[in-house]
Amino acid sequence: QKEVEQNSGPLSVPEGAIASLNCTYSDRGSQSFFWYRQYSGKSPELIMSIYSNGDKEDGRFTAQLNKASQYVSLLIRDSQPSDSATYLCAVKDGGFKTIFGAGTRLFVKA
Amino acid sequence: EADIYQTPRYLVIGTGKKITLECSQTMGHDKMYWYQQDPGMELHLIHYSYGVNSTEKGDLSSESTVSRIRTEHFPLTLESARPSHTSQYLCASSTGPGNTIYFGEGSWLTVV
Repeated sequence: QKEVEQNSGPLSVPEGAIASLNCTYSDRGSQSFFWYRQYSGKSPELIMSIYSNGDKEDGRFTAQLNKASQYVSLLIRDSQPSDSATYLCAVKDGGFKTIFGAGTRLFVKA
Repeated sequence: EADIYQTPRYLVIGTGKKITLECSQTMGHDKMYWYQQDPGMELHLIHYSYGVNSTEKGDLSSESTVSRIRTEHFPLTLESARPSHTSQYLCASSTGPGNTIYFGEGSWLTVV
């Protein structure tokens, strides 16, 4: 059974701090990695995708991928209260299947 | 970015009623999905389709059925709704080697 694991949280950080969200996956053949943000009562929205080892930056968000360690993370710099949401890690295997983690709840305190 | 439309957005129906949740996407994506998600809980894949006339059951057993007669349309039907079907149903689509999945706004179903 292929798995994607996330700490359920909640992760609480003060406004302006860096929030670090982590995800591990079990399938070494995984090809594509995604982070989604989901506000309460809303549908998930894509934040970032990453396909190769290293860092990928987009504004205040940085995704980090380490395939050898089967680990993907999301850093949110200068966290804002509006970043408070559940963050879902998703991993596409070598075929067509994408598996979602259960999500990490993030609270940014003003 | 994908445009995925779900109707109805909110529905309250009585036990035993038949319902169809509609989902359409305008981007020509070949793959489409239905997820079920209870408030504060994780996503569960209940159906998916890799193209026209292709449908498969997902990881979570569901009493619903789906059809894919047209690329853009992937409706979900419950023949006889029960209170245990109360949940949010999310339609999604994807395409390409990266298979980035995009979600619709969701349909909230309450069965009383």
